[in-house]
Amino acid sequence: ETGVTQSPTHLIKTRGQQVTLRCSSQSGHNTVSWYQQALGQGPQFIFQYYREEENGRGNFPPRFSGLQFPNYSSELNVNALELDDSALYLCASSLGESGGEQYFGPGTRLTVT
Amino acid sequence: QKEVEQNSGPLSVPEGAIASLNCTYSDRGSQSFFWYRQYSGKSPELIMSIYSNGDKEDGRFTAQLNKASQYVSLLIRDSQPSDSATYLCAVTDFGNEKLTFGTGTRLTIIP
Repeated sequence: ETGVTQSPTHLIKTRGQQVTLRCSSQSGHNTVSWYQQALGQGPQFIFQYYREEENGRGNFPPRFSGLQFPNYSSELNVNALELDDSALYLCASSLGESGGEQYFGPGTRLTVT
Repeated sequence: QKEVEQNSGPLSVPEGAIASLNCTYSDRGSQSFFWYRQYSGKSPELIMSIYSNGDKEDGRFTAQLNKASQYVSLLIRDSQPSDSATYLCAVTDFGNEKLTFGTGTRLTIIP
């Protein structure tokens, strides 16, 4: 069984740039959720994709957007990067729409300078 | 605003003792409860899930849920130095897709 993978591991961007983060879900899982974790805080929900459709969104601005592909992998795109976007971005996969166990990938550490 | 509250710690426990981690949540509609372990610089790892009132045991870990008191706890028996980590409590509502996390409790096991 293949676990959740994310790429890249680390990324440094300049304020105003755009970034794309990628996630492959655990085999057999059809749902991907994205979270942002600032230092010393718990992860904050960005959005979830279920069968290629957005299935809920947290309190994040529209410059955070995403996609899910037919193989259930997913992308998180962030436009017009701000310094406060510096964080660990986590992808979690699960089976089904809601309430189930979510398994996290290793994360992408984004630094915005 | 739904909230999940945890004591940030640090909580120091001697090796071999029982570590007790606590979490309260504000939304009575919460249905699913999870404990994640996060080592420094790593991603959260799911260690326990609990959905109904009472105790659930898995090896050295026991999760306890009391919906009337809106309280969920995690007990770690025979604590080992490798248990030193931040423990995150998370909840979801029925039909709700997102995990709402507490800020985590930092646990240190003292050899």
